[in-house]
Amino acid sequence: RKEVEQDPGPFNVPEGATVAFNCTYSNSASQSFFWYRQDCRKEPKLLMSVYSSGNEDGRFTAQLNRASQYISLLIRDSKLSDSATYLCVLGEGRRALTFGSGTRLQVQP
Amino acid sequence: DTGVSQDPRHKITKRGQNVTFRCDPISEHNRLYWYRQTLGQGPEFLTYFQNEAQLEKSRLLSDRFSAERPKGSFSTLEIQRTEQGDSAMYLCASSSRDRVSSGELFFGEGSRLTVL
Repeated sequence: RKEVEQDPGPFNVPEGATVAFNCTYSNSASQSFFWYRQDCRKEPKLLMSVYSSGNEDGRFTAQLNRASQYISLLIRDSKLSDSATYLCVLGEGRRALTFGSGTRLQVQP
Repeated sequence: DTGVSQDPRHKITKRGQNVTFRCDPISEHNRLYWYRQTLGQGPEFLTYFQNEAQLEKSRLLSDRFSAERPKGSFSTLEIQRTEQGDSAMYLCASSSRDRVSSGELFFGEGSRLTVL
């Protein structure tokens, strides 16, 4: 079983739509959680951290459910520029970050 | 530009040859990571350094792979006796302790390896 599971997509949504991605993880020792964004043929970049209480950054909302071991990312009012792959990422102590395979989002005009 | 730089950007080699990649991290970052990424997959961890010390290696890392960071600045990743399955994008990332706790790794643009 993979340590981090994500639906690969693609999620094809029209501009302005709301879209949500989920990610499940198997390592209960995971302590920190993040979403990264990777544009086509580019390097991954940190999008936002994920906290148990939930957190919001503009149109992006992230949630963590430790009991069920899943993380979500909600994007409201999708823009064409949101088209990318969204990577679910876990951290555990001093260990290197573990990346999921990503969910591809395509926002269409 | 003071970002993470990797060299070469592209490498085509024949099976059985050795290849070496270099990574220059952001200058004030003491942590340096190597990841590998294939099409449709996320970055897969290979190894990481804090200063010159190699603190973690993936259990999946073949003994054909070796990495060094001799002076705690740039790093090299060598693959010996390359196989077609080694074809991938090799990503280097750097960070500092504070940045790591916030989850922020700064990636280079990667070195793409094609093994024929």
